[in-house]
Amino acid sequence: KQEVTQIPAALSVPEGENLVLNCSFTDSAIYNLQWFRQDPGKGLTSLLLIQSSQREQTSGRLNASLDKSSGRSTLYIAASQPGDSATYLCAVLLNAGGTSYGKLTFGQGTILTVHP
Amino acid sequence: DGGITQSPKYLFRKEGQNVTLSCEQNLNHDAMYWYRQDPGQGLRLIYYSQIVNDFQKGDIAEGYSVSREKKESFPLTVTSAQKNPTAFYLCAIAQGAGGYTFGSGTRLTVV
Repeated sequence: KQEVTQIPAALSVPEGENLVLNCSFTDSAIYNLQWFRQDPGKGLTSLLLIQSSQREQTSGRLNASLDKSSGRSTLYIAASQPGDSATYLCAVLLNAGGTSYGKLTFGQGTILTVHP
Repeated sequence: DGGITQSPKYLFRKEGQNVTLSCEQNLNHDAMYWYRQDPGQGLRLIYYSQIVNDFQKGDIAEGYSVSREKKESFPLTVTSAQKNPTAFYLCAIAQGAGGYTFGSGTRLTVV
């Protein structure tokens, strides 16, 4: 059974710092890995999607890497801002016979607080 | 919400009552999912459907039921058999290589 772990569970940093969120998974036979952001009481917003054949994806100040063989992904946030405060969730999709229509397995998230 | 609409945003259920949560999408995707989110437990899969008139149980299907009569709609019923229904419920679609997209959620509270 796929298990996804996110470290740290919570992180508090001053504005302007660069930071790294970690995600590890036990089964390396994944189809893709997706990072989401969740604001309190809201749904999930997709940040970055990394296919199993890719090593990283970038969007603005965000960069996500994937090391499938070691079962790890990191989300790098550059020059953090108070508006980045949210819960960040990592989710993996197992490779079910090459289909992308399997089910996501989520980590429990990292709660990020960026102080002005 | 990228074409996924969940309603209502807040729902209150009395003991022994069945309630239905709505999820509608206009993105023409086949696969739809229901997740439950509890504090400190992450998201857990309740039911999913990959095609009209077919659906499968997820990890925590007991006390829930679904239907998939139309491609656009995947309603979730929380039955009286679900003993601890208070949670945040999220509907999602799978966009193939494009990943998953989630709705804005329904918060269900037992009163």
